[in-house]
Amino acid sequence: AQTVTQSQPEMSVQEAETVTLSCTYDTSESNYYLFWYKQPPSRQMILVIRQEAYKQQNATENRFSVNFQKAAKSFSLKISDSQLGDTAMYFCASTGGSQGNLIFGKGTKLSVKP
Amino acid sequence: NAGVTQTPKFRVLKTGQSMTLLCAQDMNHEYMYWYRQDPGMGLRLIHYSVGEGTTAKGEVPDGYNVSRLKKQNFLLGLESAAPSQTSVYFCASSYWGPYEQYFGPGTRLTVT
Repeated sequence: AQTVTQSQPEMSVQEAETVTLSCTYDTSESNYYLFWYKQPPSRQMILVIRQEAYKQQNATENRFSVNFQKAAKSFSLKISDSQLGDTAMYFCASTGGSQGNLIFGKGTKLSVKP
Repeated sequence: NAGVTQTPKFRVLKTGQSMTLLCAQDMNHEYMYWYRQDPGMGLRLIHYSVGEGTTAKGEVPDGYNVSRLKKQNFLLGLESAAPSQTSVYFCASSYWGPYEQYFGPGTRLTVT
């Protein structure tokens, strides 16, 4: 079964600092996509960043970037210049579910402290 | 363009009652999904649909039924609610199965 593992249940960071959230995945697919979703207290699931497995270049979106290590099946999220609004649950997800669904990790709760 | 909407946002049921959750999307997506989110469990797939008139079981389908009579709507039904179905329910849609999904705002359901 395909799995996504987030080993850090909770993390905290000071405002304006940088934090990295870890994710490892296990897939047998040759072509797949990886995502980071953010879930703030409002509960809405918001796509933060997307990585296509066939692209070697790491994806970036403003203050958010990933470190995609395909051989190691690792997909970490780096948040630079952390802001109070970054406080949320962060979910790593992979395509490859047998029903076309996403496979989610259990999430990392990030708190940004002033 | 509203994206994915869900109705209702909150609901409290008594054990044995029934209800239907409605999901609507205006992006002309073929694929639609129902997930449940429980503390420490991430999101788990309940049922999904790959097109109008089609539905299929996901990881945790027991106690739920679904229908997709129109492409834009995906309904999730609970025929006889149980306390174990207390959860937050998310609907999602995507243009293509193995691609990013767009989520609705979620429905918090409590069964007492």
